[in-house]
Amino acid sequence: AQKITQTQPGMFVQEKEAVTLDCTYDTSDPSYGLFWYKQPSSGEMIFLIYQGSYDQQNATEGRYSLNFQKARKSANLVISASQLGDSAMYFCAMGKYSSYGKLTFGQGTILTVHP
Amino acid sequence: DTAVSQTPKYLVTQMGNDKSIKCEQNLGHDTMYWYKQDSKKFLKIMFSYNNKELIINETVPNRFSPKSPDKAHLNLHINSLELGDSAVYFCASSQVGTGLNEQYFGPGTRLTVT
Repeated sequence: AQKITQTQPGMFVQEKEAVTLDCTYDTSDPSYGLFWYKQPSSGEMIFLIYQGSYDQQNATEGRYSLNFQKARKSANLVISASQLGDSAMYFCAMGKYSSYGKLTFGQGTILTVHP
Repeated sequence: DTAVSQTPKYLVTQMGNDKSIKCEQNLGHDTMYWYKQDSKKFLKIMFSYNNKELIINETVPNRFSPKSPDKAHLNLHINSLELGDSAVYFCASSQVGTGLNEQYFGPGTRLTVT
């Protein structure tokens, strides 16, 4: 069975600083993908970034990058130049190519950006 | 244009009642999902339909019955509501036919059972 672990219940960062949100995963399947979603206080789920298990390079999307360390089974999200609007809950999720897109989510990390 | 929409946004009802939540996506995706987010914010998949066919059915009580009349719609009917059903229910969609792709979520339906 696949498992996703986010060990940081809460994180604080100063505006304009960078922050790393941790995510480790466990799967025996070689074909999988890792996703990060943002859930602001308004409740919607916003897709941020995706990393496939066979991708050679770390994914980047604007201020978001994914630090993918396959051997360590970690997929940390790095947010550069934090903004007040980044304050939200962040979820790491994993899906397998063989499972019709079924996502298993981590527990989430609440990020608070201080001015 | 809203990509994935759900109705209603809020649902307050009493124990024992039956209720439905509707979901529609206009992204042309082939797969739709229902997720439940509990009071601790934990998100868990409940069901998934691929081209109107049920393909994922997690251990969900029989009181929950999904229905997909077509590829763009996935509804969730809940019978005999219980206090523990109180949660936020999210509908999502993705294009699975071309590989593992991101899922787009609806705004959620907050169900409160009293």
